[in-house]
Amino acid sequence: EPEVTQTPSHQVTQMGQEVILRCVPISNHLYFYWYRQILGQKVEFLVSFYNNEISEKSEIFDDQFSVERPDGSNFTLKIRSTKLEDSAMYFCASSHGAEKLFFGSGTQLSVL
Amino acid sequence: TQLLEQSPQFLSIQEGENLTVYCNSSSVFSSLQWYRQEPGEGPVLLVTVVTGGEVKKLKRLTFQFGDARKDSSLHITAAQPGDTGLYLCAAFQGGSEKLVFGKGTKLTVNP
Repeated sequence: EPEVTQTPSHQVTQMGQEVILRCVPISNHLYFYWYRQILGQKVEFLVSFYNNEISEKSEIFDDQFSVERPDGSNFTLKIRSTKLEDSAMYFCASSHGAEKLFFGSGTQLSVL
Repeated sequence: TQLLEQSPQFLSIQEGENLTVYCNSSSVFSSLQWYRQEPGEGPVLLVTVVTGGEVKKLKRLTFQFGDARKDSSLHITAAQPGDTGLYLCAAFQGGSEKLVFGKGTKLTVNP
């Protein structure tokens, strides 16, 4: 069964550094998303991406964050100047239509 | 932001018992989804309910959407240790691509 793959599974970084989280969505999917889950809290929407542009973003997704689909297969989330509060599990998701999302296994980001 | 409240937050039962978990909101939704999440994994979609009063079954799991489309329940019959996990309800915020999640019910089924 096709799946969304995310790398790395764990990322440790120093405060102030930039990180890039990578995702390979399911190949025939058209919609791409990033969500995050801070330990003990709800899964939160960050951004959706369709037709090579951001279609919607949350208030969390400020100038510190950016997304890119650099080629036909990868979808990346860049976090600039990381802060302690950016520590969370980051999930990539993709869908063919807008309703049924398939989530990856996540990247656990720890900012020290 | 529409809020989804799930209860109970934690549930620990013995194998073979039945259980029901709830997802409630003051908002009306066009549809509601249930996901299961295991430690270190992303949420996996179990079902989408669309019509008020709708009941969907997935083996020993029964999902119901409230008549007013504000709430939903998940009933598990004869729970097994493999049912252990975090059960999340979620819904799309009106007119948006944003999927809003509840905090989840963490279910533990003891052998």
